[in-house]
Amino acid sequence: GESVGLHLPTLSVQEGDNSIINCAYSNSASDYFIWYKQESGKGPQFIIDIRSNMDKRQGQRVTVLLNKTVKHLSLQIAATQPGDSAVYFCAENRIQGAQKLVFGQGTRLTINP
Amino acid sequence: DTAVSQTPKYLVTQMGNDKSIKCEQNLGHDTMYWYKQDSKKFLKIMFSYNNKELIINETVPNRFSPKSPDKAHLNLHINSLELGDSAVYFCASSQRGPGYNEQFFGPGTRLTVL
Repeated sequence: GESVGLHLPTLSVQEGDNSIINCAYSNSASDYFIWYKQESGKGPQFIIDIRSNMDKRQGQRVTVLLNKTVKHLSLQIAATQPGDSAVYFCAENRIQGAQKLVFGQGTRLTINP
Repeated sequence: DTAVSQTPKYLVTQMGNDKSIKCEQNLGHDTMYWYKQDSKKFLKIMFSYNNKELIINETVPNRFSPKSPDKAHLNLHINSLELGDSAVYFCASSQRGPGYNEQFFGPGTRLTVL
């Protein structure tokens, strides 16, 4: 259901440090997971994805970890920069005959200088 | 070039009015979507169209009527606007399945109902 009434989780880190953003997903049948970044006043932007048959995937400065046993997803951002400040969403794809992204609550990441 | 564009960016209107939001994508994608993002940043799919055919309708009130004149456009018409319709509406597009293909989002339309 919707996360009505909940405040957006926040995470503050110092510039240059690593950050880890966590996400719990709900459907064990989901087969594809995506992290999106949303900057203020903009639409969500794709960061990295991972299929359910993988545990880890690395991109440029980002790593996604998937733990299907506990239905947990994490996004690690290395050497954070001011431009990393944004709201980060995890999303799961439940194919069921069509592409249907179900988004998590979102985490606001703030990079402190 | 803008991949997914929406107009208007801001829309302020009175309760009971009818309004439309337009979306266009120049990526050659077959599938387009509308999402609603509430004040808590919760993002939820409303509709998806695949080559002008409705694929997903997430129990959205029938005051909301998507219209796809061609596969590059998906407009959202809202009748009898209510206070609870205030939100940011995002259009997105992707290649057709099977499997998952990355969805590209537009910049959003902030709708405020007074």
